[in-house]
Amino acid sequence: GAVVSQHPSWVICKSGTSVKIECRSLDFQATTMFWYRQFPKQSLMLMATSNEGSKATYEQGVEKDKFLINHASLTLSTLTVTSAHPEDSSFYICSAREIQRAAYEQYFGPGTRLTVT
Amino acid sequence: RKEVEQDPGPFNVPEGATVAFNCTYSNSASQSFFWYRQDCRKEPKLLMSVYSSGNEDGRFTAQLNRASQYISLLIRDSKLSDSATYLCVVNMLGGYNKLIFGAGTRLAVHP
Repeated sequence: GAVVSQHPSWVICKSGTSVKIECRSLDFQATTMFWYRQFPKQSLMLMATSNEGSKATYEQGVEKDKFLINHASLTLSTLTVTSAHPEDSSFYICSAREIQRAAYEQYFGPGTRLTVT
Repeated sequence: RKEVEQDPGPFNVPEGATVAFNCTYSNSASQSFFWYRQDCRKEPKLLMSVYSSGNEDGRFTAQLNRASQYISLLIRDSKLSDSATYLCVVNMLGGYNKLIFGAGTRLAVHP
């Protein structure tokens, strides 16, 4: 089956620093990758959609200058949380959609737990 | 109003019980519907798609009522391993075909 990895799986950083999270499709090419955020006991909220080689599309209310997304290849997308603050502490999950697969077939990464102190 | 609404639970049931979860969605243009399962601190995993005709996968049965914008999941003969949060998910057409997640219903199956 299609596998998506994320790195790191968890990270603790100090307020004001930046953190980069990587999302990789290991055995398939992903034209589109999605970034979600999940706070405790809440639903996954889509933050942005990225297509390889183009700018990401951000959901309403998500600051694009704070959450930098780069999708430089068909197997890698990165999310950088800039100037992180404690309220950015959350579970960040990426998903990837394979070329020529149904639009709703997304494969999820294992998530990255970010704690900002 | 939330786009996808679920009863958060928790549902505490004994092994062998039958349990039903409900979900409503607000956008009548929604096209595809799913149930995902999410274990604590893990990513969501697709449990099953939901079709208008209803569909069954072993102990799991999903139903969709488009007129009422209502989705259900029935779990028969609950196992301890069924303990998880069940997410109702709707696919919105347009743009990049977004998945909209409900907040989930927590199920705890006890011996």
